Amino acid sequence: EDKVVQSPLSLVVHEGDTVTLNCSYEVTNFRSLLWYKQEKKAPTFLFMLTSSGIEKKSGRLSSILDKKELFSILNITATQTGDSAVYLCAAPLRFGNEKLTFGTGTRLTIIP
Amino acid sequence: EAEVAQSPRYKITEKSQAVAFWCDPISGHATLYWYRQILGQGPELLVQFQDESVVDDSQLPKDRFSAERLKGVDSTLKIQPAELGDSAMYLCASSLGPYNEQFFGPGTRLTVL
Repeated sequence: EDKVVQSPLSLVVHEGDTVTLNCSYEVTNFRSLLWYKQEKKAPTFLFMLTSSGIEKKSGRLSSILDKKELFSILNITATQTGDSAVYLCAAPLRFGNEKLTFGTGTRLTIIP
Repeated sequence: EAEVAQSPRYKITEKSQAVAFWCDPISGHATLYWYRQILGQGPELLVQFQDESVVDDSQLPKDRFSAERLKGVDSTLKIQPAELGDSAMYLCASSLGPYNEQFFGPGTRLTVL
């Protein structure tokens, strides 16, 4: 059965720390993996990864995909309180129809 | 900046009542999605439209849920009758096409008492 699994479920760190969030997947006909940030409302898009080993960066956030080991990581350096959110990983499950399946998310809390 | 609009933002209802949610996608987006997100879980796709046609409703509880997008623009999701277990955030998303990035609306938080 296709699935997306995230770890840890919850993470609490101090401001300025660096964090690594994990996402593993088992997806038939894998096409891409997406990361979203969800605060108190709807998810906002962060990254889409399709190629293994190519890092995507946006400010203090970066992500990379390993298609051999079937996982992705999301790194956040020099964390700020505004980074506190649930980070969701998702993958389209069915070729020809972008039905996204999400992981349960990692709840990140940054302590000032 | 164009956004996906949803209403209402919050809805409290009693079980066995009917509820309806509305979504207006970003102009020009042909693909529209309805997701349900239970507290502590990731969003789960309920139904996907391509223009006015349903592409995927395999996870939609069809005995009580219905969705339509009659003119291929805005969409409504209805629950009748609502049950306690339907309490969740209902998210609408849209994309240019089925292979494009999905943009989410603010969601409708439903509480069934």
